[in-house]
Amino acid sequence: DGGITQSPKYLFRKEGQNVTLSCEQNLNHDAMYWYRQDPGQGLRLIYYSQIVNDFQKGDIAEGYSVSREKKESFPLTVTSAQKNPTAFYLCASRLRRANTEAFFGQGTRLTVV
Amino acid sequence: DQQVKQNSPSLSVQEGRISILNCDYTNSMFDYFLWYKKYPAEGPTFLISISSIKDKNEDGRFTVFLNKSAKHLSLHIVPSQPGDSAVYFCAASARNQAGTALIFGKGTTLSVSS
Repeated sequence: DGGITQSPKYLFRKEGQNVTLSCEQNLNHDAMYWYRQDPGQGLRLIYYSQIVNDFQKGDIAEGYSVSREKKESFPLTVTSAQKNPTAFYLCASRLRRANTEAFFGQGTRLTVV
Repeated sequence: DQQVKQNSPSLSVQEGRISILNCDYTNSMFDYFLWYKKYPAEGPTFLISISSIKDKNEDGRFTVFLNKSAKHLSLHIVPSQPGDSAVYFCAASARNQAGTALIFGKGTTLSVSS
């Protein structure tokens, strides 16, 4: 079955620690995205990548970092510089062509304790 | 500044009636629009989309209408069912902007009562 997998589903982090969220897809999509959802805020774009070894900042990239060493993988690191990291994080992928939908993973709920 | 706006945070409808969810956008470069449905603690699932060259797209109980001059689109669900209760997100993309990333509105929570 093709799809996009995020892990873990729930993640707890102590303040001051970095944590990495995993996102893997086997849909052969070139483009991958990270969004953050907060109550009443919708989905806000953190980082995106159109191709391996290339990525760009989205609207709220501060305190986050990404890598794209493989087409299938787009991990997101939430660093200690992110002031409000508690949120629901969503990874998505899409064909790098016009007029196509994005497919989302099931999300990771990150809580800072 | 929000490029995609869903001005109604919530909507309540009776089973069997029509649900109309609205979305406005400001970026005239947007050329593709989508609606997603989302349950709590899950990823959004794609519902229906429309290209800017069309003004209507229909898929079963779901119809999306696009009014480019007003920069407005709407999702109609007929007839509404209790299983339709979820958060609905409007999204848009521009072919040559932001790596074709989808830009989302804040969502509208639809409640369908039986």
